[in-house]
Amino acid sequence: AQSVTQLGSHVSVSEGALVLLRCNYSSSVPPYLFWYVQYPNQGLQLLLKYTSAATLVKGINGFEAEFKKSETSFHLTKPSAHMSDAAEYFCAVSEDQGAQKLVFGQGTRLTINP
Amino acid sequence: KAGVTQTPRYLIKTRGQQVTLSCSPISGHRSVSWYQQTPGQGLQFLFEYFSETQRNKGNFPGRFSGRQFSNSRSEMNVSTLELGDSALYLCASSRGTSVAQETQYFGPGTRLLVL
Repeated sequence: AQSVTQLGSHVSVSEGALVLLRCNYSSSVPPYLFWYVQYPNQGLQLLLKYTSAATLVKGINGFEAEFKKSETSFHLTKPSAHMSDAAEYFCAVSEDQGAQKLVFGQGTRLTINP
Repeated sequence: KAGVTQTPRYLIKTRGQQVTLSCSPISGHRSVSWYQQTPGQGLQFLFEYFSETQRNKGNFPGRFSGRQFSNSRSEMNVSTLELGDSALYLCASSRGTSVAQETQYFGPGTRLLVL
């Protein structure tokens, strides 16, 4: 069965520092992988997705993620954190490209220190 | 273009009651999915509908049901509410069913509190 593990429920970085949010997945077939962001009192917004094209995926707001099959990882990075990046981030996986069913990780709350 | 709309935004019910939540997808979107978000269990998939047909269902008891109308609007119903049903219920819409090709757009959610 597919699953997602996000390492670290809370991550704190200084403004301007590198952001690294970790995600490992388990899937019996080549997966589709996603990163979503959730701001307080809002729904989820798609940051980026991996659909078996390029392994380095660029998303919105300067975020990118690299699919590493050997490590079953899909870590999210941003070179320089902004205060506006403070939010909760979710990694998700889907094995069935014909369905809109996602399995989410538990989420990582990102705090940005001034 | 208007986003996904969910009504009501907040709801308080008591145990044993039932509740109906509504989701209006983005215009032109025919796929609607529902998720439950709780601090303990995180985000869990409830249902997926496309063209009024339920295509997938998550691992929830039969008290949770849903439907989709011909205009793609969707409702979900929870009967005999339990305290553990307190959660943020999120609806997402997309044009089609392919998670690879179509982006899911999420609504702001309905926050349900069961007392």
